[in-house]
Amino acid sequence: KQEVTQIPAALSVPEGENLVLNCSFTDSAIYNLQWFRQDPGKGLTSLLLIQSSQREQTSGRLNASLDKSSGRSTLYIAASQPGDSATYLCAVDTNAGKSTFGDGTTLTVKP
Amino acid sequence: DAGVIQSPRHEVTEMGQEVTLRCKPISGHDYLFWYRQTMMRGLELLIYFNNNVPIDDSGMPEDRFSAKMPNASFSTLKIQPSEPRDSAVYFCASSFGLMVHNFGPGTRLTVT
Repeated sequence: KQEVTQIPAALSVPEGENLVLNCSFTDSAIYNLQWFRQDPGKGLTSLLLIQSSQREQTSGRLNASLDKSSGRSTLYIAASQPGDSATYLCAVDTNAGKSTFGDGTTLTVKP
Repeated sequence: DAGVIQSPRHEVTEMGQEVTLRCKPISGHDYLFWYRQTMMRGLELLIYFNNNVPIDDSGMPEDRFSAKMPNASFSTLKIQPSEPRDSAVYFCASSFGLMVHNFGPGTRLTVT
């Protein structure tokens, strides 16, 4: 059974700082991995999707990496802004559609 | 496109009542997913469909839960009878192929 862990559970940083969120998974036979953002009381917004054959994906100030052999993914946020404050979840798809989500990292960026 | 549409956005019902949650996926998407989110258990996949056919319902907690997708533009998740422990936010998501999931805004269910 796939298990997904996100550390830390919460993170508070000053505006402008670069930061890294971590996601680890136990079964390396994955189809793809997605990073999502969830604002309080809202649904999830997909940020980046990395297919199993890829090592990283970039979108603006966000960069996600994937190391299947070690069962790890990181989400790098450059020059953080208060608007980046949200909960970030990673989801690992190990069975062509069956995604397992981590519990998320709640990020607070202080002005 | 309006995105994934869910209704109702909020539902409060008494224990034992039937609850039906509705979802309209993004047009052209061939996968539809139902998730449940609680503080205790996080986000859990309940069931997903491909081309209107249920593929994996192993996440459905009990026989009280059932889901249907009669056509490509509509799906329902039904709980009968509802119990207080079913209280959660239920999300519907759709995707084209197994790519980016597009989530709906969710239905917040409270069973008293």
